[in-house]
Amino acid sequence: GENVEQHPSTLSVQEGDSAVIKCTYSDSASNYFPWYKQELGKRPQLIIDIRSNVGEKKDQRIAVTLNKTAKHFSLHITETQPEDSAVYFCAATGTYKYIFGTGTRLKVLA
Amino acid sequence: DTAVSQTPKYLVTQMGNDKSIKCEQNLGHDTMYWYKQDSKKFLKIMFSYNNKELIINETVPNRFSPKSPDKAHLNLHINSLELGDSAVYFCASSQGLGGAGNQPQHFGDGTRLSIL
Repeated sequence: GENVEQHPSTLSVQEGDSAVIKCTYSDSASNYFPWYKQELGKRPQLIIDIRSNVGEKKDQRIAVTLNKTAKHFSLHITETQPEDSAVYFCAATGTYKYIFGTGTRLKVLA
Repeated sequence: DTAVSQTPKYLVTQMGNDKSIKCEQNLGHDTMYWYKQDSKKFLKIMFSYNNKELIINETVPNRFSPKSPDKAHLNLHINSLELGDSAVYFCASSQGLGGAGNQPQHFGDGTRLSIL
């Protein structure tokens, strides 16, 4: 069935270090991959997305890479700051829906 | 001018009661969704509607009945509430059916439902 695996489930980094979150999807027809950040008690908010015709996309300290052959995509956050602490979700398009990963709780230690 | 707004924000009620959550979007999107987020933070899709038509019903108990009077509104009615229904319920919308338009979803602020 359609599935997105996300790792790690929790990630602690020192302020200023980089953080990497990885996702693997199962549906070879998936062609759009958004990433959401959810702060405590708030709604998920889109932070970056990538379409299948692109291998990499960058927006300031955030970048996403996509390997369609391996069905992997990753979120990279550089120079992490305490305000980056949140739960991050990857997602991939499936049949009439978005399939979400199980989330990564990122803690940035000051 | 919130893009996706849902009410109420908090809902505390007794087991066995019936309650409704309302959602409205002003983005002009044609697809709306309900998600359930449990204490482990998993985002599970429950329903999706495209232009008022039910598209996805993801094995949700029939105590949950969504209604979409028009493409800007999607409401959720829950009968005979159970303890396991306690969660945060998010409404979302997107342009295009389930990502077909390669466009992101926009989420509401959530409704925190607590069953006593």
